[in-house]
Amino acid sequence: DGGITQSPKYLFRKEGQNVTLSCEQNLNHDAMYWYRQDPGQGLRLIYYSQIVNDFQKGDIAEGYSVSREKKESFPLTVTSAQKNPTAFYLCASSFSVDSNQPQHFGDGTRLSIL
Amino acid sequence: SQKIEQNSEALNIQEGKTATLTCNYTNYSPAYLQWYRQDPGRGPVFLLLIRENEKEKRKERLKVTFDTTLKQSLFHITASQPADSATYLCALAHYGNNRLAFGKGNQVVVIP
Repeated sequence: DGGITQSPKYLFRKEGQNVTLSCEQNLNHDAMYWYRQDPGQGLRLIYYSQIVNDFQKGDIAEGYSVSREKKESFPLTVTSAQKNPTAFYLCASSFSVDSNQPQHFGDGTRLSIL
Repeated sequence: SQKIEQNSEALNIQEGKTATLTCNYTNYSPAYLQWYRQDPGRGPVFLLLIRENEKEKRKERLKVTFDTTLKQSLFHITASQPADSATYLCALAHYGNNRLAFGKGNQVVVIP
């Protein structure tokens, strides 16, 4: 079955610690995205990538970093510089970022602070 | 600044009736508008896409309209069922760009 897999489903971070959220897709999509969702808020774009070894900041990139070494994988690191990391993180993909197409989402990772 | 507004109050509707949701936007000229469904603890699932030159789009019991003059999209679920209970998100994008701007979502509760 083609789709997007995010892991882990729940993640806890200690103060001052970096954590990495995994996102893997087998849809052969070029474009991948990371969003953050807070209660009562819309999804906000953190980073997106159009192709391997390329990525762009979204609206709220501060305190986050990404890499795109493989087409299938787009991990997100929440660094200690992100002062309010508690949120639901969603990864998505689409055929490309150049034209409007549906985005396919994973089932998210919920990050909490210990 | 750009604003996308969806009703924050949940829509409670009797099974079999038509649910209608509104998505209003300001300071934005989208070329495309998409609707997604999100269940608790899950990622959004794509439902429909409508372009600025299309007035209406249908898929099974779903219908979407797009009025660029009113800066509004309406999302209808006809013959609603309890399984339609979820939060529905609208998302806008400019032409040639798949960076989506999402509304906060509108919850629908279908009462048997």
